[in-house]
Amino acid sequence: NAGVTQTPKFQVLKTGQSMTLQCAQDMNHNSMYWYRQDPGMGLRLIYYSASEGTTDKGEVPNGYNVSRLNKREFSLRLESAAPSQTSVYFCASRLSRGQGGYTFGSGTRLTVV
Amino acid sequence: QKEVEQNSGPLSVPEGAIASLNCTYSDRGSQSFFWYRQYSGKSPELIMSIYSNGDKEDGRFTAQLNKASQYVSLLIRDSQPSDSATYLCAVTLNFGNEKLTFGTGTRLTIIP
Repeated sequence: NAGVTQTPKFQVLKTGQSMTLQCAQDMNHNSMYWYRQDPGMGLRLIYYSASEGTTDKGEVPNGYNVSRLNKREFSLRLESAAPSQTSVYFCASRLSRGQGGYTFGSGTRLTVV
Repeated sequence: QKEVEQNSGPLSVPEGAIASLNCTYSDRGSQSFFWYRQYSGKSPELIMSIYSNGDKEDGRFTAQLNKASQYVSLLIRDSQPSDSATYLCAVTLNFGNEKLTFGTGTRLTIIP
């Protein structure tokens, strides 16, 4: 049972390049989330999907887009990367609204130069 | 005022002692409370959840919730060097809210 799988684990981008971070869960969870973690700032929510077919903005959505491809997969896209997007990105999932805590993926460490 | 506040530490505790980690939150309507442990370079791992006032024990861990004081704590008994990590408090800020709001974490070091 893999849980939440994120790819890639590491990535270096040049300013202006685009990329998609992939996330998949095999726990039959309905809700999925993308967070970024920066020193001193904690975990901040970028986007979330309460169920297949829905997505909503979180605290820091600017510069990002998401796609809930199906129940298992939730991707995060950076259309034109900026140095301010250098961060560690975590995908998480949980069964549904109000049902317990999140299970996190292993993270993607992204550097934009 | 931050929605979820934690002392950033570092908190140093001798091996075998009790480590006490504290968290306050701003929304009186908050319903769900979680403690995560995060080792350096790793992802957060859920260790405790608590939903009602009082204490909840799981092995060496005890979570304490006081909704009147808007305060949740985590006690780690018989602290071990492997407990050295950053501990994140997370709160669902109102009933049925989809999102968890995290504190910035307390870095705990257990001194052998």
